[in-house]
Amino acid sequence: DQQVKQNSPSLSVQEGRISILNCDYTNSMFDYFLWYKKYPAEGPTFLISISSIKDKNEDGRFTVFLNKSAKHLSLHIVPSQPGDSAVYFCAASEVHAGNMLTFGGGTRLMVKP
Amino acid sequence: KAGVTQTPRYLIKTRGQQVTLSCSPISGHRSVSWYQQTPGQGLQFLFEYFSETQRNKGNFPGRFSGRQFSNSRSEMNVSTLELGDSALYLCASSLLADTQYFGPGTRLTVL
Repeated sequence: DQQVKQNSPSLSVQEGRISILNCDYTNSMFDYFLWYKKYPAEGPTFLISISSIKDKNEDGRFTVFLNKSAKHLSLHIVPSQPGDSAVYFCAASEVHAGNMLTFGGGTRLMVKP
Repeated sequence: KAGVTQTPRYLIKTRGQQVTLSCSPISGHRSVSWYQQTPGQGLQFLFEYFSETQRNKGNFPGRFSGRQFSNSRSEMNVSTLELGDSALYLCASSLLADTQYFGPGTRLTVL
């Protein structure tokens, strides 16, 4: 039972345009959501997070949107840069239950010059 | 601040052996979590330690164990290695129950 799903295994975007990565979850107890960027054979790098009490959080070129009723979150990258090419994972946790992240399967983003 | 460090970075073992991996969290972080990444199963939670106590455990067999020391450093142990244990093992640390920061991982290959 996949509680966190990233339905697009890959996404290709032109440099300078917007990249939108999507994530769906089924567990209504999740109250903290994070996005990580990962290169092969390296650990995930934290990008941005959002608590369930918010519906939007921005940090520079990265914005995360949370739609609790639809159990959906998305990461927007504007403008996209070639250096953004990597695998992006969304993750979710129940804060009161401690640190146990449930990850989606990842989306490979390719930003073309 | 120095990030999360993991040793060793690469390890080759044979079936039936056991292995111990080490993780040093970011200074001041008290929570250490371990994850396994494989091509087939993705990133899966193994366990979490907070103040030397296991606080959460994922769905892995008892061959996978861990511990945390008083300085928050953590080790995980896998006994009786199987081919399917070949994976990237990732350690993450956090201050409390919040954002987790990951180390570079230990690549374990079981032959």
